Formats: sequence, C-alpha cells, structure tokens
Amino acid sequence: QSVLTQPPSVSAAPGQKVTISCSGSNSNIGKNYVSWYQQVPGTAPKLVVYENDKRPSGIPDRFSGSKSGTSATLGISGLQTGDEADYFCGTWDSSVNFFYVFGTGTKVTVL
Amino acid sequence: QVQLQESGPGLVKPSETLSLTCTVSGDPVSTTSYYWTWVRQSPGKGLEWIGSIYHSGYTNSHPSLKSRVSMSVDTSKNQFSLKLTSVTAADSALYYCARGKNQLLLWLDPWGQGTLVTVSS
Repeated sequence: QSVLTQPPSVSAAPGQKVTISCSGSNSNIGKNYVSWYQQVPGTAPKLVVYENDKRPSGIPDRFSGSKSGTSATLGISGLQTGDEADYFCGTWDSSVNFFYVFGTGTKVTVL
Repeated sequence: QVQLQESGPGLVKPSETLSLTCTVSGDPVSTTSYYWTWVRQSPGKGLEWIGSIYHSGYTNSHPSLKSRVSMSVDTSKNQFSLKLTSVTAADSALYYCARGKNQLLLWLDPWGQGTLVTVSS
C-alpha cells in the first residue's frame, strides 16, 4: 500500500487540461523532490518531470509540475490522444525506514 | 543514448531464487552519482521500488524485501544484478531496471523494457 495517494483516474477532451495530484506527508513529499512518470500501456515508464518542476529534454512544455507542502501536482495542457497513459509520482521517504516510493497511479483518459 | 536491458528466467519455482541481470549500454555503471535500480510491477498494479546499487557496492532496498534481496554490479560487463530469494506467487511481476540520479533517486531514467517473471511450480 503506497504512502503517496493519487486519484485513480482523470479525463478531459483533446486540447483541454488535466491535473493529477499526489498527496504524501512530511517524511516524503514534504522534504524531498518529486518526479513523475508516464506509462503508456504495454511500455516501460518514462520520466516526464523531475525535481518537482523540471522537464527532461524532449518532454513538451505541455507537461508541468509543482509542489506545495506535502502535495505535488502534474499538469498536462493541450491534451493529446498520445497522452493517454498511467501516471505515477515518486519520491524518497525518510521516515523510520529509508526507501523510494511511488504513487498509486492515475489513468489519464482523453475523451 | 543510454539503454538498459533486463534478462533472466521468465519462470521461477516457489521457494527458489529469482535472478535477473540488467545490461547497460551508453553509460558506464561506474559513473559517479548514478544508482542502478530495480522496480517491479505486479499485473494491473502500481510500481514498487525493490532497491538500488552504487558502483562501489553500496546497496539500499525496500524494507519489506530487504531480507530477501541482494544486488551486485559488474563493471567489467557493465551490468548489475538482482537476486530475490524464497519467492512466492506474490513476487510474480514485470521487473524493470533503471538508472537513478543520486542516492535519493531524483529521477529514474531511462528504464529497461521490463522482463516478466512468473512464480509457479
């Protein structure tokens, strides 16, 4: 059971914007950087945002990330059919045990 | 361009040891600040971090798996490996290897394509 909670699904029409939340605690998101991964069905996860709000080269600026307190958010604007995928947040948890944790995952559907 | 490729048996018997290798091309596993990482995904489920290893041999693994996990790195072959002992059906999953940035895994990129492991007699 993940310590990072995401909504199971979000959806919007092409061209619209969706936001995906990732809720954690002071031991993970509250003190560590967050990254986001896109997983198109049948493929490996792909990094789309790192260090809360940075985009790797090749990732369009339609993808944006932010963090506030113990929550992080991924935004996808100008939604395209190719954005339909599962999205996971990830960060380090430094509570009693030190370990990396992923969010529960959010399915993005383009209507 | 950095690429990672997992390899290993697709079928493991219960109570036996799962062994996987990740072959890295385009980047030495001895590169400073990269932690070579294993992640798994059970069918239809989310991602679970298994553990990471530095080229020095330093390892860190998930508390729930720590007693069964061992990892190693072979700089001569540019590979790193995972062993998971006493497997059960709950260990059936798609296993990925990935390159991680520093000990806190600021990012995981790239990922291998994944290898499916089924635990069954």
